[in-house]
Amino acid sequence: KNEVEQSPQNLTAQEGEFITINCSYSVGISALHWLQQHPGGGIVSLFMLSSGKKKHGRLIATINIQEKHSSLHITASHPRDSAVYICAVPQGGSEKLVFGKGTKLTVNP
Amino acid sequence: ETGVTQSPTHLIKTRGQQVTLRCSSQSGHNTVSWYQQALGQGPQFIFQYYREEENGRGNFPPRFSGLQFPNYSSELNVNALELDDSALYLCASSLRTGGVYEQYFGPGTRLTVT
Repeated sequence: KNEVEQSPQNLTAQEGEFITINCSYSVGISALHWLQQHPGGGIVSLFMLSSGKKKHGRLIATINIQEKHSSLHITASHPRDSAVYICAVPQGGSEKLVFGKGTKLTVNP
Repeated sequence: ETGVTQSPTHLIKTRGQQVTLRCSSQSGHNTVSWYQQALGQGPQFIFQYYREEENGRGNFPPRFSGLQFPNYSSELNVNALELDDSALYLCASSLRTGGVYEQYFGPGTRLTVT
């Protein structure tokens, strides 16, 4: 079974700061998901990536397949970025996802 | 908006009762997965349905069961509710065409068992 570790667990930043959230996994994968969950519960898929880097607005996700590590970066953070960010990887080459416990980000104005 | 909807949004049940949660997949998606997310934890895989057949199950007892219909909508049924079943239940749909694919999550149903 793939084990997923995220760090940090909690992160508090000031508006405008550059944010980095890390994710490590134990077994080789075909792709990794970054998800965002706001209070109230709904999950939004931010990125799915299998190599290199993806960018969407102020969000950047990178993955190093050899090191089994991915990072999610937020540039010029804003209070509306406050949420729980979760990384998830497939289990055993299937589409069933194993999730990290999430990183709770709070961005203060 | 992912196109995946779930109902109801919130639900309160009593221990021992039965509950049915519903999920409407994004159009054209033939696979649906159900997850349970306890407070402060990451989601845990319950099971998955592909073309109306169960296609894998997580570490959940048989009182958790599901259905997928020809239109690919889905139900999660939980019998003999326990207090620990209180959680957010998420469904996610995806199109299974081989290779790498993306899952689209619904907003979740928050179940409280008292």
